[in-house]
Amino acid sequence: DAGVTQSPTHLIKTRGQQVTLRCSPKSGHDTVSWYQQALGQGPQFIFQYYEEEERQRGNFPDRFSGHQFPNYSSELNVNALLLGDSALYLCASSPMAGGGADTQYFGPGTRLTVL
Amino acid sequence: SQQGEEDPQALSIQEGENATMNCSYKTSINNLQWYRQNSGRGLVHLILIRSNEREKHSGRLRVTLDTSKKSSSLLITASRAADTASYFCATNSGTYKYIFGTGTRLKVLA
Repeated sequence: DAGVTQSPTHLIKTRGQQVTLRCSPKSGHDTVSWYQQALGQGPQFIFQYYEEEERQRGNFPDRFSGHQFPNYSSELNVNALLLGDSALYLCASSPMAGGGADTQYFGPGTRLTVL
Repeated sequence: SQQGEEDPQALSIQEGENATMNCSYKTSINNLQWYRQNSGRGLVHLILIRSNEREKHSGRLRVTLDTSKKSSSLLITASRAADTASYFCATNSGTYKYIFGTGTRLKVLA
């Protein structure tokens, strides 16, 4: 049973560029959440997707956008990259559209470096 | 912003000793989860405890929850070098997001 997978593992971009990160949820999961983790900090919630819609969003600017596909996989897009966007981006999936009472399973993350 | 705050920020113990780390949070919650993270990679789920539960066990892990004090603790008994990692608590308050604390960095010395 494959867990949550993310690609790429590492990515280096320059300021102003755009980036797309990808996530495939654990088998049987239909809800995907994205988190940003700066060095030495805890993960911060970006948004959650369910049924191909953004269901909830954290305190992130519109430069951060996402998409969920019919097979439940998801993309995170970040436009106009800033140095402060350098972080580990984590994807988490959960098995149902519950009221947040579900265990989230995390992928290994994508390390984004913005130069 | 972070909801939770783990205490201590860093902990160094000898193999075989017990490790206790604490998490305090600010608003009422539906549930609280503890995660482990090795070397800045993905998080591994350890335990979920619901707001109507006071204590849960899983192997060498024991989690307590005191909703009146808005705090939780994670106890790892008989620690091993492989337990060296960062530990985070994450709270859910009935919405779809989890809010993570700042983490405790645990180092277990062989």
